[in-house]
Amino acid sequence: RKEVEQDPGPFNVPEGATVAFNCTYSNSASQSFFWYRQDCRKEPKLLMSVYSSGNEDGRFTAQLNRASQYISLLIRDSKLSDSATYLCAVSLGGFKTIFGAGTRLFVKA
Amino acid sequence: DTGVSQDPRHKITKRGQNVTFRCDPISEHNRLYWYRQTLGQGPEFLTYFQNEAQLEKSRLLSDRFSAERPKGSFSTLEIQRTEQGDSAMYLCASSFGESQPQHFGDGTRLSIL
Repeated sequence: RKEVEQDPGPFNVPEGATVAFNCTYSNSASQSFFWYRQDCRKEPKLLMSVYSSGNEDGRFTAQLNRASQYISLLIRDSKLSDSATYLCAVSLGGFKTIFGAGTRLFVKA
Repeated sequence: DTGVSQDPRHKITKRGQNVTFRCDPISEHNRLYWYRQTLGQGPEFLTYFQNEAQLEKSRLLSDRFSAERPKGSFSTLEIQRTEQGDSAMYLCASSFGESQPQHFGDGTRLSIL
């Protein structure tokens, strides 16, 4: 079993739709969680950290479920520019951060 | 913009050649990471520096790979006797503290002919 798993997608949604991704992790000692966005042939860019109580940044909401060991990302009112690959990252503390393989999102007009 | 910078952006070389990549982290970040990413995969950890000390190396990092961060600022990653399987995007990231989010450079895309 992979340490961090994501549904690769692709998710194809119309503009304005709400879409959600999950990311499961295997190590219950994981301490910090992040979502990154990666455009084709570009570097990952930090989208948001994920806090225990859940957090929101504009149209993006991130949540953590420690009991079931997953994090989620919700995107409301999808824009064409949201089309990208979304990577989750899980840190065990110290240096070690494990990245998922990413979920591809296509938003269509 | 004083983000993480990497050089070169692209490198094409013949199998068997040596290549060296450079990474300049965000200036106040004392932690520096190297990753490798291939198509359809997330970044895979290669090695980690805290200041000038290389504290961890992945088993992915064969003896053909070496990394340095001599003064605790920029870092270099060298691959000797390159193989076709080394073709990938090599990403550098830096962070300010433990469990803090990492910020990536543009990456160096390596193609082995």
